[in-house]
Amino acid sequence: DTGVSQNPRHKITKRGQNVTFRCDPISEHNRLYWYRQTLGQGPEFLTYFQNEAQLEKSRLLSDRFSAERPKGSFSTLEIQRTEQGDSAMYLCASSSETQYFGPGTRLLVL
Amino acid sequence: DAKTTQPTSMDCAEGRAANLPCNHSTISGNEYVYWYRQIHSQGPQYIIHGLKNNETNEMASLIITEDRKSSTLILPHATLRDTAVYYCIVRAGGSGGSNYKLTFGKGTLLTVNP
Repeated sequence: DTGVSQNPRHKITKRGQNVTFRCDPISEHNRLYWYRQTLGQGPEFLTYFQNEAQLEKSRLLSDRFSAERPKGSFSTLEIQRTEQGDSAMYLCASSSETQYFGPGTRLLVL
Repeated sequence: DAKTTQPTSMDCAEGRAANLPCNHSTISGNEYVYWYRQIHSQGPQYIIHGLKNNETNEMASLIITEDRKSSTLILPHATLRDTAVYYCIVRAGGSGGSNYKLTFGKGTLLTVNP
C-alpha cells in the first residue's frame, strides 16, 4: 500500500454514460498525476496538478475528459459520454519528488 | 526525456539474482534513471532511482555505467512474487517544468520460475 487510494477499483458502464473516478493522494504530496493504461501498454500521462492548479493536459485528454483537484487535496477524473475506446486502467500518482501510484480504477465500457 | 530500451522478456530461477538491463544512450546530465514494476492488475510500484552512483535499497540494487548510457536493476534473490513487468524510465530531476511526468515504455516482463 503506497498511501495513494483510488475509488472505485472497478467500473462497468454503458456507452454514453458519464463516469467519475476519485484519487486520494499521500497527504503531504503537492503534485498529483493521472495516467491511462491500456492492455499490453505502459501507462500514458494524461494530466498533472501542482496543488489545485492543473498545469498540463496531454493530447490524450479529449474534451470529454475533465479533471479537478479542489483545495489541492483529492482529485476527480470525469469522463463524459463514454466510448468503448475509453476502456482502460486509470492510474493516479502523487509525489513530492518520486511518484507513488495508487491501485488504479479499471473501466469497462460496454 | 531520453528514451530507454529494454528486453521484452526475461526468465529467472527462484532464489537466483535477476539482472534487468536498460539502455539509455541519449540520457543527459540532469536526468535520473527510475525503475518501477507492475504486478498484474496493480498500479506501478516504485523500486529505486539514481543519477550517477550505484544505489541500493531493501528491494534492489541499481548499477549505472560510468558513461550513464546503460543501467542494470538487480534483484538479489528473486522470488515468485517478483514476477512482474519492470519499467526503466529516464526523467529529469528538479521540480516543475516538463520533468514531472513519467514516460513508460513496454518494459521487461520478468518471469521467476520455481
